[in-house]
Amino acid sequence: GDSVTQMEGPVTLSEEAFLTINCTYTATGYPSLFWYVQYPGEGLQLLLKATKADDKGSNKGFEATYRKETTSFHLEKGSVQVSDSAVYFCALSPSGAGSYQLTFGKGTKLSVIP
Amino acid sequence: DGGITQSPKYLFRKEGQNVTLSCEQNLNHDAMYWYRQDPGQGLRLIYYSQIVNDFQKGDIAEGYSVSREKKESFPLTVTSAQKNPTAFYLCASSDWTNNQPQHFGDGTRLSIL
Repeated sequence: GDSVTQMEGPVTLSEEAFLTINCTYTATGYPSLFWYVQYPGEGLQLLLKATKADDKGSNKGFEATYRKETTSFHLEKGSVQVSDSAVYFCALSPSGAGSYQLTFGKGTKLSVIP
Repeated sequence: DGGITQSPKYLFRKEGQNVTLSCEQNLNHDAMYWYRQDPGQGLRLIYYSQIVNDFQKGDIAEGYSVSREKKESFPLTVTSAQKNPTAFYLCASSDWTNNQPQHFGDGTRLSIL
């Protein structure tokens, strides 16, 4: 079945450091890929998405590129802020009709220190 | 503003008791979902519903029940058969079409007394 693997956390960075959170997936065809963010005590918010190979999703300074050849969707940000401290989830939605459930990775907790 | 409202935010259950978590959405989405979140385990799908009066089991449906009598509402009952109910429960909704993201509520934290 489909699966998503993302790097284990927690990740601790200093403010203004470069962020990469790795995400790889296993799925047939061309799934849609998503990054969600969860702040403490809250639900998940969609951060960005990509629906086909070589698409780049971006939002709030975060970027991720859909790489079919490496089945990856790594999240990056050039300069993190303390307010970026949260748990980040990579997810996929399978291709094909009638199967729109999301499969999530286990999440990566990011802590940014001043 | 459109969104998903979950209530209550915190809930306590006694042994042998059923409890019901509320989820309401005004996004006009066809599909709704319930997830359970445990530390270090990500999100696991409990039940989902594509349309009114229809729902399907997810990966961990045992000990839970749902109903979908209205498009806007998808309540989850945690029954006494669920032996380890302490978790954070998240409700979501989406259009039932490809490439559409799910929108989440703020969750309900359930604990055992």
